[in-house]
Amino acid sequence: GQNIDQPTEMTATEGAIVQINCTYQTSGFNGLFWYQQHAGEAPTFLSYNVLDGLEEKGRFSSFLSRSKGYSYLLLKELQMKDSASYLCAVMDSNYQLIWGAGTKLIIKP
Amino acid sequence: IAGITQAPTSQILAAGRRMTLRCTQDMRHNAMYWYRQDLGLGLRLIHYSNTAGTTGKGEVPDGYSVSRANTDDFPLTLASAVPSQTSVYFCASSVSGRDEQFFGPGTRLTVL
Repeated sequence: GQNIDQPTEMTATEGAIVQINCTYQTSGFNGLFWYQQHAGEAPTFLSYNVLDGLEEKGRFSSFLSRSKGYSYLLLKELQMKDSASYLCAVMDSNYQLIWGAGTKLIIKP
Repeated sequence: IAGITQAPTSQILAAGRRMTLRCTQDMRHNAMYWYRQDLGLGLRLIHYSNTAGTTGKGEVPDGYSVSRANTDDFPLTLASAVPSQTSVYFCASSVSGRDEQFFGPGTRLTVL
């Protein structure tokens, strides 16, 4: 079967760095996406990785290792507005997104 | 309109009633999707459409139907609602079906 695993909840301090991990087992691989979802709102696109390595976009970076079935999202200089759920999704061989349940990130002052 | 809109924002529905959730996008995206999101679970694909005139079944299609008569609109119909269809429903679209998806604001549906 297809499976995406990520921690249910994480807590971090304002100004710090946090790494959210995602491991996956899917039928084929056509890229990995990270989305941010604030409570009561729609998911919004953060990043996309299809090749191994690190993609940096401002305070957010995403890493992919296809051989290990592993990705992480790195958030630097945490701000209170970063409190949200972070969703990992893999595009499978049929170009459909398989979604993890999301990691709820709590930022404390 | 800018992006994707969904209607209604929320709805309480009696079991057995028919309900259509509306979704419209103005980005001329080819692909559109319907997901449901339940607490503790990832987004689950209900139905999708890669281009106007075509539709396909996702992971959880039973009890739902869709149509794609044109590029902009992708309504989701519950023929006879059941309490297990209580959920938040998101419509999404993407340019080609192989790139990032953009989401509508969601419809919160409660079936009693």
